Amino acid sequence: ETGVTQTPRHLVMGMTNKKSLKCEQHLGHNAMYWYKQSAKKPLELMFVYNFKEQTENNSVPSRFSPECPNSSHLFLHLHTLQPEDSALYLCASSQATTTLNQETQYFGPGTRLLVL
Amino acid sequence: RKEVEQDPGPFNVPEGATVAFNCTYSNSASQSFFWYRQDCRKEPKLLMSVYSSGNEDGRFTAQLNRASQYISLLIRDSKLSDSATYLCVVAPPYQKVTFGTGTKLQVIP
Repeated sequence: ETGVTQTPRHLVMGMTNKKSLKCEQHLGHNAMYWYKQSAKKPLELMFVYNFKEQTENNSVPSRFSPECPNSSHLFLHLHTLQPEDSALYLCASSQATTTLNQETQYFGPGTRLLVL
Repeated sequence: RKEVEQDPGPFNVPEGATVAFNCTYSNSASQSFFWYRQDCRKEPKLLMSVYSSGNEDGRFTAQLNRASQYISLLIRDSKLSDSATYLCVVAPPYQKVTFGTGTKLQVIP
């Protein structure tokens, strides 16, 4: 329904693990985003890619590493995470224009991450 | 002042009631405004964009007040299915989009 898919939907990992989150959009968009949503906090923008180029890195710790091989796919590589990184990680996409932020964003269902 | 501020609620209203939420923003240069709806344990989905002249979509009306720097969402004839968290989104030109924390609405039978 949404046009933006994310896998896995749920993930439990230890602090020493390495895992990757995957996002794929089928909407023909050129901009993709990673957000973090923690309880009782607003969505926090983490990364923005526009035409495969990273245009925003919102002071995200290096234990989160994004990768955008093409306009349809976005990954978030995770390593040595902390328990406070447990959250819902949402991917979104939008059309890319010169006024990037004006475009409606379409969200994937999210990956619910628990770090033990 | 927070970039985007919303009353977290919850707003508990009976079916058929009219309810309104406000969202204030701090950046006067903001140009684009949206209301998203997020159901429990689901992703946010666009409800409506907010235009300078205001806009209406069925039972939902969005308004922008630039002078006072707030946007509003009015829901008429509330339905049980309207129960959700409503997120305000503000986008200054060429800057990152900012989401509010959301206002929770619970429509009661």
